[in-house]
Amino acid sequence: DARVTQTPRHKVTEMGQEVTMRCQPILGHNTVFWYRQTMMQGLELLAYFRNRAPLDDSGMPKDRFSAEMPDATLATLKIQPSEPRDSAVYFCASGPPGGYTFGSGTRLTVV
Amino acid sequence: AQSVTQLDSQVPVFEEAPVELRCNYSSSVSVYLFWYVQYPNQGLQLLLKYLSGSTLVKGINGFEAEFNKSQTSFHLRKPSVHISDTAEYFCAFSGGYNKLIFGAGTRLAVHP
Repeated sequence: DARVTQTPRHKVTEMGQEVTMRCQPILGHNTVFWYRQTMMQGLELLAYFRNRAPLDDSGMPKDRFSAEMPDATLATLKIQPSEPRDSAVYFCASGPPGGYTFGSGTRLTVV
Repeated sequence: AQSVTQLDSQVPVFEEAPVELRCNYSSSVSVYLFWYVQYPNQGLQLLLKYLSGSTLVKGINGFEAEFNKSQTSFHLRKPSVHISDTAEYFCAFSGGYNKLIFGAGTRLAVHP
């Protein structure tokens, strides 16, 4: 089965450090989403792309977060500098409209 | 504004009993509707989806959902639940620009 691959699965970092999370969408999927999941806020949409172009990143704190798709096989989410409140599970999803597949997530802990 | 409301944050139920998880949405455009399931420490798995056609859709693990346009609802049902159905269930829709919007989730707890 085709799957969305996220790396790393787990990341522990110190406050102030840069964090980069990567997502390999399923080949041929033209829409890619980044979500953040916490107990308090649930699933928050951070950003999404279609055909590598950003459509909406209004859910992202602009001063520290950035999302890019350097090519069709890679999406990245960067946090610089990281803060303890960024601790969460970050999910990537890809698909055509009507069928989105999620990756297993990156569990980020900022200490 | 586009939004999804899951009316119950938690639903306790006994094994082999029927269950309904409720979902309402708000959108001014046509939508695609989804239910996802999340088991502890795992990602989200698609249970079923409504894109068009028959308003009753069947998914994996014996779940089904009915799209009701007049009531803007997409409730999830299962006639007989198992312990293994204990999980978090998310309703979602994709509307304008195919933005995928999730509800807050419903925790289904199946008791023996």
